[in-house]
Formats: sequence, structure tokens, C-alpha cells
Amino acid sequence: AQRVTQPEKLLSVFKGAPVELKCNYSYSGSPELFWYVQYSRQRLQLLLRHISRESIKGFTADLNKGETSFHLKKPFAQEEDSAMYYCALSTPGGSYIPTFGRGTSLIVHP
Amino acid sequence: DTEVTQTPKHLVMGMTNKKSLKCEQHMGHRAMYWYKQKAKKPPELMFVYSYEKLSINESVPSRFSPECPNSSLLNLHLHALQPEDSALYLCASSQDLPLGDEQFFGPGTRLTVL
Repeated sequence: AQRVTQPEKLLSVFKGAPVELKCNYSYSGSPELFWYVQYSRQRLQLLLRHISRESIKGFTADLNKGETSFHLKKPFAQEEDSAMYYCALSTPGGSYIPTFGRGTSLIVHP
Repeated sequence: DTEVTQTPKHLVMGMTNKKSLKCEQHMGHRAMYWYKQKAKKPPELMFVYSYEKLSINESVPSRFSPECPNSSLLNLHLHALQPEDSALYLCASSQDLPLGDEQFFGPGTRLTVL
């Protein structure tokens, strides 16, 4: 069965500090991995996906198949990054229905 | 139009009421989803429609009844709900199921069952 683990429920940093939101997955094949973000009072939206390999709002995420991880990183956090972040996994075995992690709440203090 | 819209934004209903949630998208997406989300929790999948046919029902109680009248619309009919069904109900769409594409989410309907 596919599973997504986000070990941190809450991550609190100061503005300008580096941030890393962890995501580990269990799946033996080639998964599709996503990071979704939900800002306060806004809809859940895609932040980035591993196949696009782009940086969105300064965030990057690299798929590490050896460690089965897809951690989200940003070198300098901004207050507007405060939000709920969900890692999601999509696989052929799961009919490509995304499986969401429990989410990490990121709080960036001024 | 690249948005998923949902109506109503808020809904308060009694346990004996019958109500419906509506979802609409005009992006030509062929997969549509209903999720339930409790505060500070991830979305929980309820139903998936693919090409207007129910593809997945995640063992949802029969008091929730989905309907896909056409490729742009998705409804969720509610009847005899319980207070624990109070949550944010999210609709989402994606281009197609086998592609594993990104999902586009609506803003949700905040449901309160009294």
C-alpha cells in the first residue's frame, strides 16, 4: 500500500531562516509526487510537482528514490509562506488517486 | 476559466434536512472528486468520477449521494446527516485519472450539521 509520511505536524521558523518540510513515501515503483499548499482562508492549490523540476515562490523539492523522500526546501522563509503544506503521492497501483500526508503547518515569525 | 467553483460557501442544516452541494469546472477535466476535510487535517477522499461514471467510493455512508449530471458538474446530495459530518467539503478536478495530473480544488463548502 502506498503511504505518505510528514513527520512534523508543526514547523516554526523566523523570517529569513532556511526551511525544510519533510516528506517520505512508501512505494516501490515510480511515483508522482506533489506538494500542495493551503493558505489561511484560501483553497488548496498545487505548489509544485517533481516532474516539473521548477522552483515556485522560492521553494524546491527533489525526489530522492533511494531515501524515498521528497522534501520541500526554501533557503529564506518569508512571513507569507505561513500555511499548511501537504505532500501527496500518486501511483498506478493506486489508480493515480492522490494519497495525502497529514500536513505540516509552517509558521514564519517576523 | 481555470477555476473550480462550489456552491454554497456555507451551509447549515438539521439532521432531517435534504440539501445538495454543487461543483462546476470548465477546464475540460474528465476526473472529478469529492473530499471531506476536518480542521487542520488532510482531505479525505470520498468519491471519484471519471468520464461521468463513479469510479471510486471510499466506503462513504449512503447519507452522502454523489451525482455527475455532465462532464462539468458534480453534485453531492445530503440526507439525514449527523453532527460529525460537519466539515469542509472540497471538490476537485483533474485532466484525467490515468495521467496522475495535478488536482484543481474548489474553495469548499463549509457544512454545519445541527
